[in-house]
Amino acid sequence: ELKVEQNPLFLSMQEGKNYTIYCNYSTTSDRLYWYRQDPGKSLESLFVLLSNGAVKQEGRLMASLDTKARLSTLHITAAVHDLSATYFCAVDFYSGYALNFGKGTSLLVTP
Amino acid sequence: GAGVSQTPSNKVTEKGKYVELRCDPISGHTALYWYRQSLGQGPEFLIYFQGTGAADDSGLPNDRFFAVRPEGSVSTLKIQRTERGDSAVYLCASSPGGTGSTEAFFGQGTRLTVV
Repeated sequence: ELKVEQNPLFLSMQEGKNYTIYCNYSTTSDRLYWYRQDPGKSLESLFVLLSNGAVKQEGRLMASLDTKARLSTLHITAAVHDLSATYFCAVDFYSGYALNFGKGTSLLVTP
Repeated sequence: GAGVSQTPSNKVTEKGKYVELRCDPISGHTALYWYRQSLGQGPEFLIYFQGTGAADDSGLPNDRFFAVRPEGSVSTLKIQRTERGDSAVYLCASSPGGTGSTEAFFGQGTRLTVV
């Protein structure tokens, strides 16, 4: 069965703190994507990770991919309120087009 | 257009009625996808078009759901005899197509409510 599991599903953190969101998946893949979704809005592409060891950074967010461990992480550095949103990881298992999404991590950054 | 456009943004319909949801992809994108997102869940794949043809419709839940893309651009998702369980946000996405990254660009979605 093709599974994508994120944890935690809910995260409340203080501004200025660091935290990591984890995305585990069930079967080999080297195509993983992170998306952000604000309430009532669509999904915004954040990172595209296409090889083992890939690391990408944008502002306070950094994503990495370990295909051997079937694990991706999204690290948040010195969180700010504007990062409050739901973050999804999505994996392309073999098909080359269909994405399997995790349930999402709902992040709330508080003062 | 600049992004993927979906209409309507909201649709309320009575159980048993027929609905059509429209998607206008990014200009030049040959690949088009429909996903469905239920409350508190990640999007679930429904159907994929490459050009005019449905290359994979394995995600459609049953034969009440059908999608077309007659000219390889705009797509319409059609739902017959709607049921309350069909209530969800229907997301359309497009990508340039071809091999390599399957990064998809999503529209704002159509929130369908079946009452």
